Amino acid sequence: DQQVKQNSPSLSVQEGRISILNCDYTNSMFDYFLWYKKYPAEGPTFLISISSIKDKNEDGRFTVFLNKSAKHLSLHIVPSQPGDSAVYFCAASILTGNQFYFGTGTSLTVIP
Amino acid sequence: GAVVSQHPSWVICKSGTSVKIECRSLDFQATTMFWYRQFPKQSLMLMATSNEGSKATYEQGVEKDKFLINHASLTLSTLTVTSAHPEDSSFYICSALMGDRINQPQHFGDGTRLSIL
Repeated sequence: DQQVKQNSPSLSVQEGRISILNCDYTNSMFDYFLWYKKYPAEGPTFLISISSIKDKNEDGRFTVFLNKSAKHLSLHIVPSQPGDSAVYFCAASILTGNQFYFGTGTSLTVIP
Repeated sequence: GAVVSQHPSWVICKSGTSVKIECRSLDFQATTMFWYRQFPKQSLMLMATSNEGSKATYEQGVEKDKFLINHASLTLSTLTVTSAHPEDSSFYICSALMGDRINQPQHFGDGTRLSIL
């Protein structure tokens, strides 16, 4: 049972434009959410996180938005750069637990 | 900071061989480490949660006797794939949680590509 879902397996965006990656979850107990970036044959790299007490967290070009009522989070990258081309995973966890649940990933291609 | 080193990065071996993969937290203590497996174009599949000084907790469907996990210190966890067969070929990734701090991200190693001939 996939508790964290990324329904778009791929996304292409022109350089300089905004990239929006989406993620949905089913477990209302999740209260900590993260985005990871992954290049082929490498481990995921932590990008940005947000706790359920917030609805927005910003770090440079990356902003994560959380809509708890819709059980939806999104990652905005602006402006997009060719080096952002990678697979992006969203993940969720419960405060009192250690386990993280990962989505299936979205492959982002930023076209120069 | 928060560097996780995984070794080796690539292993090719014959069927029936046992392979050990090491996961080290280089600049922090990791009470909890995780082992994932990733098939091509699929998500990270959690195999087990490794806690320092205690037995690992395996996810449903993961064979404990096949995938031996040892977390003997706060900076090292090992995954041994025993009597590996071609179907065990995959990309294995470890991650670590920093101490017992809550609301912290997992820090991942660079993964190990295991190819069984």
